[in-house]
Amino acid sequence: SQQGEEDPQALSIQEGENATMNCSYKTSINNLQWYRQNSGRGLVHLILIRSNEREKHSGRLRVTLDTSKKSSSLLITASRAADTASYFCATDGGEGAQKLVFGQGTRLTINP
Amino acid sequence: KAGVTQTPRYLIKTRGQQVTLSCSPISGHRSVSWYQQTPGQGLQFLFEYFSETQRNKGNFPGRFSGRQFSNSRSEMNVSTLELGDSALYLCASSARGGYTDTQYFGPGTRLTVL
Repeated sequence: SQQGEEDPQALSIQEGENATMNCSYKTSINNLQWYRQNSGRGLVHLILIRSNEREKHSGRLRVTLDTSKKSSSLLITASRAADTASYFCATDGGEGAQKLVFGQGTRLTINP
Repeated sequence: KAGVTQTPRYLIKTRGQQVTLSCSPISGHRSVSWYQQTPGQGLQFLFEYFSETQRNKGNFPGRFSGRQFSNSRSEMNVSTLELGDSALYLCASSARGGYTDTQYFGPGTRLTVL
């Protein structure tokens, strides 16, 4: 079963706008990670946020984590056409499962 | 460092056949995990190997198996292929594995079962 659920499933915006994607999960976590996947290819790690962190930045990316609501958000500022991809959140499997459990992903399209 | 490599990149098989996929991790990484990605089920964890031992396993039937060699290279095998096994199979390597490490993914093997 999926631990993370992304929202929205698809998002289409104009180049230069900001894109926000949300992820909700069910069990307590140790950390949450975000990955990007370009069409049908491997995943690229974007950022990891630990359960004791509330916000983390990396370049144009900003990730927040609210463990009380079991949710995270990924903000991409000043979007570019190259940001077009699917974005996945991943959490540990809960109960020390020692594995990553991915959500269904958000398909982001940046229109020129 | 060279990234994670997977071979072959594309594969077409027929029902009932078996298939072996290969993954070479980043040099120095001891953990290799395998995932299956389909449009319907998304990314699902298959298993993880660390230092030649299977450390964790997902909810897949016994037709799916794997192994890891002393050089950390890993193979996964699917026997008696079914149409539903058509998917992108991704492997990922990390230094320590599990949920604490960043996973570095390969480009995947696209398996089509006819």
